[in-house]
Amino acid sequence: DTAVSQTPKYLVTQMGNDKSIKCEQNLGHDTMYWYKQDSKKFLKIMFSYNNKELIINETVPNRFSPKSPDKAHLNLHINSLELGDSAVYFCASSLSTGGGGYTFGSGTRLTVV
Amino acid sequence: AQSVTQLDSQVPVFEEAPVELRCNYSSSVSVYLFWYVQYPNQGLQLLLKYLSGSTLVESINGFEAEFNKSQTSFHLRKPSVHISDTAEYFCAVSDLGGAQKLVFGQGTRLTINP
Repeated sequence: DTAVSQTPKYLVTQMGNDKSIKCEQNLGHDTMYWYKQDSKKFLKIMFSYNNKELIINETVPNRFSPKSPDKAHLNLHINSLELGDSAVYFCASSLSTGGGGYTFGSGTRLTVV
Repeated sequence: AQSVTQLDSQVPVFEEAPVELRCNYSSSVSVYLFWYVQYPNQGLQLLLKYLSGSTLVESINGFEAEFNKSQTSFHLRKPSVHISDTAEYFCAVSDLGGAQKLVFGQGTRLTINP
């Protein structure tokens, strides 16, 4: 069973469209994250939820809106997609008790054309 | 706030040669330290971590890293690399509590030549 699963794996869409990426974890973790990896492989945190509560919200355009219906799911909705949104988006999860590190999903490669 | 610097963006080595990937961090509080590996077109996998105790930590595939508090470093080493070690390696740091935001370095691409 996949521990952290993201769908879709690839997403190609036109500028101006709205799209969503879904993430689910079956590890019993209470904290989930969205990271963006740019073309130079740099990883930057976007959001984090702990037990459905938003605890980290980095400087991200408000076109990006995360939603956590329960502690096992964290979705990312993006409105009015721009060329600069093209990247690989990774979901991750961890335990808030600390020290375990994150478990990452396999990523969603978003290409905006 | 924490920050991580990986001093080498690319490291080419020959198969069976030793390798060291350098990582330095900056933080005003105590931290946890991690190395993650990303194989081509895959997600990140935890390679090893330092939480407390012994400053030398090891992974199951022969990598080791040493926490050096005075030099604020956490360099990754392997005495003999294999072609399958070709990947991107990321050093990361998080604080001990709260949101535990993981801050990554820029990554080091390790290329193993036959």
